[in-house]
Amino acid sequence: EIVLTQSPGTLSLSPGERATLSCRASQSVSSSYLAWYQQKPGQAPRLLIYGASSRATGIPDRFSGSGSGTDFTLTISRLEPEDFAVYYCQQYGSSPRLTFGGGTKVEIK
Amino acid sequence: QVQLVQSGAEVKKPGASVKVSCKASGYTFTGYYMHWVRQAPGQGLEWMGRINPNSGGTNYAQKFQGRVTMTRDTSISTAYMELSRLRSDDTAVYYCAWWSSSWVQSFWGQGTLVTVSS
Repeated sequence: EIVLTQSPGTLSLSPGERATLSCRASQSVSSSYLAWYQQKPGQAPRLLIYGASSRATGIPDRFSGSGSGTDFTLTISRLEPEDFAVYYCQQYGSSPRLTFGGGTKVEIK
Repeated sequence: QVQLVQSGAEVKKPGASVKVSCKASGYTFTGYYMHWVRQAPGQGLEWMGRINPNSGGTNYAQKFQGRVTMTRDTSISTAYMELSRLRSDDTAVYYCAWWSSSWVQSFWGQGTLVTVSS
């Protein structure tokens, strides 16, 4: 089983700042089958990034993903008020099993 | 438009079972695996398993083997997840979700809160 470890647990930033979130896998994620999700309280997760670096439909270009193998990063170039939320990484390379990271909360400083 | 509409909140006693439904519309129900993911209060996301709505074939996370059963009724485009021998730590929001080909789109139900309490 691939274990995903996200860091930091909480990121305290101000609107307009840059956010850098990390996701490390316990073994290589095949074909960069790594996704990122945003979740706000009381809502289902929303897909942001798939294939490690491709933005999902309708996702603003301030969100970007990078990485391969075991190390992946989600960057939010300039935080907007609506970006304060919890972010999860997910691997889908070891089908059928999906695994999620523990999440990073981006909170307003 | 694509919709996944789940059944309402449930309160169950320890040892009981719960069955959550997920009614799909706006796409070909039999064309994509339906997954179930749960989220305990204040916690992260946990994959429980998936069902192939076309064949009925299932894959379950090892943690839930023997306690979870996923089924579907193609005549009404509805998937079901039944969890038995409930414990207090099964208290969570349960989501159904599916992903399009190449995982470029993701669709989720609104979630169903299952509370296990004596």
